Amino acid sequence: DTEVTQTPKHLVMGMTNKKSLKCEQHMGHRAMYWYKQKAKKPPELMFVYSYEKLSINESVPSRFSPECPNSSLLNLHLHALQPEDSALYLCASSLVWGEKLFFGSGTQLSVL
Amino acid sequence: GENVEQHPSTLSVQEGDSAVIKCTYSDSASNYFPWYKQELGKRPQLIIDIRSNVGEKKDQRIAVTLNKTAKHFSLHITETQPEDSAVYFCAASHYGLTGAGGTSYGKLTFGQGTILTVHP
Repeated sequence: DTEVTQTPKHLVMGMTNKKSLKCEQHMGHRAMYWYKQKAKKPPELMFVYSYEKLSINESVPSRFSPECPNSSLLNLHLHALQPEDSALYLCASSLVWGEKLFFGSGTQLSVL
Repeated sequence: GENVEQHPSTLSVQEGDSAVIKCTYSDSASNYFPWYKQELGKRPQLIIDIRSNVGEKKDQRIAVTLNKTAKHFSLHITETQPEDSAVYFCAASHYGLTGAGGTSYGKLTFGQGTILTVHP
């Protein structure tokens, strides 16, 4: 299995909702990432987990809460988002930290 | 932190021509330089990468060159085909096995992207 699987593919939520994005990989990768991508822009790093520990938090607002329950799973919990948070949220994983990242197909999030 | 600049922002070529995209980086500690291709509505996919101990790498029609002294690297696509049309992102990072070594470790910083259009 050489894929990073993200669910859901699309998500529409109101500003008062709580939702979660899920990411799964079975490649034995020990580094996992969350990126945010706006249309026609490059991915922007949000969080990095290394060996299931949060290693990098790029000053992301607390309405985004990451979780790494085990070495194969990565979640992003969303609460009280703003319309400007609408974007494609990409999960990625890699065997070595910062090298050869495999990206999932992303969750297209719309905040109304 | 690392800053990656990418040029041009758009590139239009005829099928069969070559395409070159250039990037510069700012952090001399960066040691890994991948290129990602992202088709419309799809995930970024790694197409080629190079480490700082290598000056050039080639994979069929794609090649990447690195000049560490000047802090720039380039993507070369020969014999372009319509299916090469996509957004291409360069990136730079300081990679490592455990992630130890400072806040820059493990961060993949992307350039702004180049929209490549190959006309049949």
